Formats: sequence, C-alpha cells, structure tokens
Amino acid sequence: GQQVMQIPQYQHVQEGEDFTTYCNSSTTLSNIQWYKQRPGGHPVFLIQLVKSGEVKKQKRLTFQFGEAKKNSSLHITATQTTDVGTYFCADNGGSQGNLIFGKGTKLSVKP
Amino acid sequence: GAVVSQHPSWVICKSGTSVKIECRSLDFQATTMFWYRQFPKQSLMLMATSNEGSKATYEQGVEKDKFLINHASLTLSTLTVTSAHPEDSSFYICSARDRAGQGNLVWDTEAFFGQGTRLTVV
Repeated sequence: GQQVMQIPQYQHVQEGEDFTTYCNSSTTLSNIQWYKQRPGGHPVFLIQLVKSGEVKKQKRLTFQFGEAKKNSSLHITATQTTDVGTYFCADNGGSQGNLIFGKGTKLSVKP
Repeated sequence: GAVVSQHPSWVICKSGTSVKIECRSLDFQATTMFWYRQFPKQSLMLMATSNEGSKATYEQGVEKDKFLINHASLTLSTLTVTSAHPEDSSFYICSARDRAGQGNLVWDTEAFFGQGTRLTVV
C-alpha cells in the first residue's frame, strides 16, 4: 500500500541550531500536509503543499515540495524550545479520504 | 478552524470491561471520521474509517469485534473497546475533515484532531 517514509526519527539540537525533517514516497503525492504534535497533545495542521516545487514559509519554518512531488521537507531555522514536538508529514491520498502519515520526527531542543 | 472534541481524555479500566470513546465535530458536519491509535514514540496508525449511517471500514489487522465503531449522526462517532486487555492500552485519537468549496469545486480541508484518549487497562 501507499507509504510515506520520514527521516530522521529523532533529532536533538541545541537551541538556535537548524532542524530539517524529510519525507519521501515511491509514488507521486497528490499533495502533502504537515502537522505538529506537542508532547501529550494532538496533531495540529501546519500547512499543505500542492504544486510541484512549491515552497512556503511560516516565520522560521520553510516547507518544500519536490519537483516530482515525491518528496517534501520541513526546515526550521534557529530552533527554539517552543519548537519541541513531533512533526508529521501526511499524504493526502488515502482511499478513504484519510491521510497517510509518515512516522514522524521527534524534535527535542536543548536550551 | 473547525473543532473536534474527544471524550474522555483519559480512562483507566479493568481488564475485561468495555470502554467507549466519543468524538464530536463541534462546528461542522462530518460524514467521515477517522480513528487512530498511537503507541509511545510511534506514528499514527489508522484503525478505521467511520462512515455516518453505514458500517465502518477497518484497516487490515484491526479486529472489528474488538473495536466497535458507531457513527449515528453527522457530528458524533464512537469507538468502543470491548473486553479490554492490557495490550489495548494506548493513545486513541479521532479526526475529521470539513468540506470547503468555491463555485463548483469542493474539497476536504485539513484534518482536525480530537484531544485524544489515553486508555490504560489494568
């Protein structure tokens, strides 16, 4: 079935360092969504990418969608302790209208 | 954005008992809701798709008789863990997507998640 691979599984950074998580699919993605789940919380939508090569920014977060629409990345510049949590990418191509989630990247930030 | 409310947020039950978890869309109607299970340090595993007025669609490996899903109205889906055992202890979370549209175009919005239910079976 459809799968979305996400790496790394964990990332520990010093506050102020950058962070990147990557998602890859063997098949073309219709569009991709990114979510953030704080510790003990539920996933919250961050952004959706639709177009090939699309780049979107939200303050210190930069989201990219690959030219072939098979990969995507989330980059955080100068991490802060408020960035801690697990970041998930999700393929919006589930047969039931569901999202297919990557395994997530858990980010910890050391002050 | 739309709000999905899930109740209870946590529950402890004895082995062999059943637990019901509710998921409500508060400000929109959801013909479809999704139930996920999340193990510690792991991703969201889709258990089933709940369809209003019809049977739920279960993912492979998920026991239908174990995890009963009812979607009796456009704003409420319930998940009942029957005869719970310690291995059923987990974080269960529901989600729903609203519909948006412009002219003749209609699409699903992003997913809105409930707060999740931490189930502990002792």
